[in-house]
Amino acid sequence: GQNIDQPTEMTATEGAIVQINCTYQTSGFNGLFWYQQHAGEAPTFLSYNVLDGLEEKGRFSSFLSRSKGYSYLLLKELQMKDSASYLCAVRERSNDYKLSFGAGTTVTVRA
Amino acid sequence: NAGVTQTPKFQVLKTGQSMTLQCAQDMNHEYMSWYRQDPGMGLRLIHYSVGAGITDQGEVPNGYNVSRSTTEDFPLRLLSAAPSQTSVYFCASSYTSGGGEKLFFGSGTQLSVL
Repeated sequence: GQNIDQPTEMTATEGAIVQINCTYQTSGFNGLFWYQQHAGEAPTFLSYNVLDGLEEKGRFSSFLSRSKGYSYLLLKELQMKDSASYLCAVRERSNDYKLSFGAGTTVTVRA
Repeated sequence: NAGVTQTPKFQVLKTGQSMTLQCAQDMNHEYMSWYRQDPGMGLRLIHYSVGAGITDQGEVPNGYNVSRSTTEDFPLRLLSAAPSQTSVYFCASSYTSGGGEKLFFGSGTQLSVL
């Protein structure tokens, strides 16, 4: 099974940078995803990491360290529309069909 | 592009009633799944399917049934609703299962069981 931990809430100012950490424990890692979910809406895909290192996509970047069971999502130049919940999800090698989600981190961007 | 379509958007049931949540996708995805989302607990997998005629249990399958008679449709049946099944339900699909395949989610069904 999975044990995925991420902070419950974070607050930041418009234009700032926020880093959302995710730690996980798994018997066989096979990929980590980040999804964004606005209140009352469905989750949408942000990023995927399977190898160590940083993946950059515009204002959003995601980092993975497999040896530490650790990932972070970095949101730069925060905008009001970035206020949302950010979900970390891990795929386990023993059952590739199942994607296990953390409880999510609610980010509030203040003006 | 419809993507993943879920109906209904809202539903109120009485304890013991049965109902079916509908999910359809028009992207020719092999993999379809149902999740429930509860406050503080994240998304939990109920059932999934890797192709027509194939279904399997996820993390929290009790009280739910699924079938996959076509590639497009993956309905979720609540056999006898209980208050513990009050939740937001999401259907999700991907082209294949596993690896880096990202999930596409439906808009969700908010279910209340009284």
